[in-house]
Amino acid sequence: AQSVAQPEDQVNVAEGNPLTVKCTYSVSGNPYLFWYVQYPNRGLQFLLKYITGDNLVKGSYGFEAEFNKSQTSFHLKKPSALVSDSALYFCAVRDTNSGYALNFGKGTSLLVTP
Amino acid sequence: DTGVSQDPRHKITKRGQNVTFRCDPISEHNRLYWYRQTLGQGPEFLTYFQNEAQLEKSRLLSDRFSAERPKGSFSTLEIQRTEQGDSAMYLCASSFVLGPGELFFGEGSRLTVL
Repeated sequence: AQSVAQPEDQVNVAEGNPLTVKCTYSVSGNPYLFWYVQYPNRGLQFLLKYITGDNLVKGSYGFEAEFNKSQTSFHLKKPSALVSDSALYFCAVRDTNSGYALNFGKGTSLLVTP
Repeated sequence: DTGVSQDPRHKITKRGQNVTFRCDPISEHNRLYWYRQTLGQGPEFLTYFQNEAQLEKSRLLSDRFSAERPKGSFSTLEIQRTEQGDSAMYLCASSFVLGPGELFFGEGSRLTVL
């Protein structure tokens, strides 16, 4: 079985400061990992993915994420937060031993204050 | 617009009525997915198609729910005898067959059952 945990319901950060949104996963095979962002009353937008290779992946809007196999984590990061980054962030995993559906975490609300 | 489109965006119905949602995926995408999202939760997988074949169904998809993709292009999700617990955002997504399978989501169809 595959699962994703986002331990923080909300993350607050001041504009200009670095941000981290945490994600841990559990799979039986190898993971494909994804981050999505959701703005109010909108669908999910793809940010970045880890498939294989370099543990640090870069994505849209200056976001990056670090894959850590030993800690089964895939934390989302950004060096300098913007107020416009305030949104819901979802981590998702696909277990290569399972089907093609992504399993999502419950989400983390990011609030960036001026 | 070449993104995933969903219709209607919002549906209000009375308990016991049937509702149908339509999804038009990105034209080159062979896989199509349906997810359900309730307030404060991440998207929950319902079912997915590869071309016209329905390859996987979640146990969340009760016998009141049926999805079709008759010609391998658009898809419909029908809910019969709606219940208040069906109130949610229904998200459609599509992806390429090849590759890691990041999903591209539509804006969603919000169902309110009175």
